[in-house]
Amino acid sequence: GENVEQHPSTLSVQEGDSAVIKCTYSDSASNYFPWYKQELGKRPQLIIDIRSNVGEKKDQRIAVTLNKTAKHFSLHITETQPEDSAVYFCAVLPRGSGYSTLTFGKGTMLLVSP
Amino acid sequence: GAGVSQSPSNKVTEKGKDVELRCDPISGHTALYWYRQSLGQGLEFLIYFQGNSAPDKSGLPSDRFSAERTGGSVSTLTIQRTQQEDSAVYLCASSRGWGNTEAFFGQGTRLTVV
Repeated sequence: GENVEQHPSTLSVQEGDSAVIKCTYSDSASNYFPWYKQELGKRPQLIIDIRSNVGEKKDQRIAVTLNKTAKHFSLHITETQPEDSAVYFCAVLPRGSGYSTLTFGKGTMLLVSP
Repeated sequence: GAGVSQSPSNKVTEKGKDVELRCDPISGHTALYWYRQSLGQGLEFLIYFQGNSAPDKSGLPSDRFSAERTGGSVSTLTIQRTQQEDSAVYLCASSRGWGNTEAFFGQGTRLTVV
């Protein structure tokens, strides 16, 4: 099945710094790559996604880049704020699932210190 | 409108007992997923329902796990003869279409097997 590796597992930054989280995947036919944010004790929520026909997508302070050749994609958060502190999960929609079910990474705990 | 609702929010059960976890998806969402989240782990896929199609049970870890979706709406995840390793947060999600549409998660059921 699909294998999704997410790094780092934890990331500590100072408020105002940038944060980058990277995921690699194995199924080259995967075509959808969302990122979910899960605050402590809350449910995961979609923050941004990208499809395989696009290389980059931005939404205010967050952006996602996709390198299909290298089979990796990254989440970029600029001007981090304490409320960005959460666990971030990348996910991949592989052909092996019939493009029906997401495979998630193990998550990155981001801590933004004031 | 109402989001995905799960009940109970917390469940403590004795080893060997059966448990039932309930999920009410967003009205009109044809896809329903169950995931399991263990401490420090990602979201582990369990089972997927899409409309009236046969469910994808490929993620169920053992035959002690089963799920139903009645009338294309409410779903119940049943774990028989619970074991301590079943302790986790069980998350339900629903979406309007196939895997490349946003999945909306419930708040989860925290299951503790003692």
